[in-house]
Amino acid sequence: QQQVKQSPQSLIVQKGGISIINCAYENTAFDYFPWYQQFPGKGPALLIAIRPDVSEKKEGRFTISFNKSAKQFSLHIMDSQPGDSATYFCAANPDLLNSGGSNYKLTFGKGTLLTVNP
Amino acid sequence: ETGVTQTPRHLVMGMTNKKSLKCEQHLGHNAMYWYKQSAKKPLELMFVYSLEERVENNSVPSRFSPECPNSSHLFLHLHTLQPEDSALYLCASSQGQGVYGYTFGSGTRLTVV
Repeated sequence: QQQVKQSPQSLIVQKGGISIINCAYENTAFDYFPWYQQFPGKGPALLIAIRPDVSEKKEGRFTISFNKSAKQFSLHIMDSQPGDSATYFCAANPDLLNSGGSNYKLTFGKGTLLTVNP
Repeated sequence: ETGVTQTPRHLVMGMTNKKSLKCEQHLGHNAMYWYKQSAKKPLELMFVYSLEERVENNSVPSRFSPECPNSSHLFLHLHTLQPEDSALYLCASSQGQGVYGYTFGSGTRLTVV
């Protein structure tokens, strides 16, 4: 059972365009939603993260939009550049700050391969 | 060195071989993880160690055996693997449960022949 559904599987965008990747989840206990970026030959690296008490978080050209009622969150990359070409993973984790016990189950989506053409 | 270092980067092994993957973190983190990454599948959590104690074992076959001798080192011992075990094996570390994110190594690309 896939707990975090990510789409699209692949995305091609022209330089300067907006890249949008979407994720949906079912588990209402999730309350930490990071995005990871992975370049070929490298491990994933944390890009940006959000908690559901805010609807949007922006860091430079990267923005997470969060819709708690729809249980959806998305990554927007503004002014996309060829250097942004990578695989992007959304993820979710339940109750990181308030868990009374062991909680190490960061659940990842399947990933989106983004290609930004020059 | 800084970050999370994994060795070897590439490994080809026969189904009857025994090999080990090594991970070392230089970040002072107290939790370490093994993930399996296969094409077109989500990253699969295999094992978690917190303060050198295994806290998660995600129904991984016994042909994979983890070892965490201290908070900086993590091993994955492999024996009698199957071709479907071919994948990228990623090590990660975090401080606590990862509220500030996980730091991943570059992975070991494993091919079982």
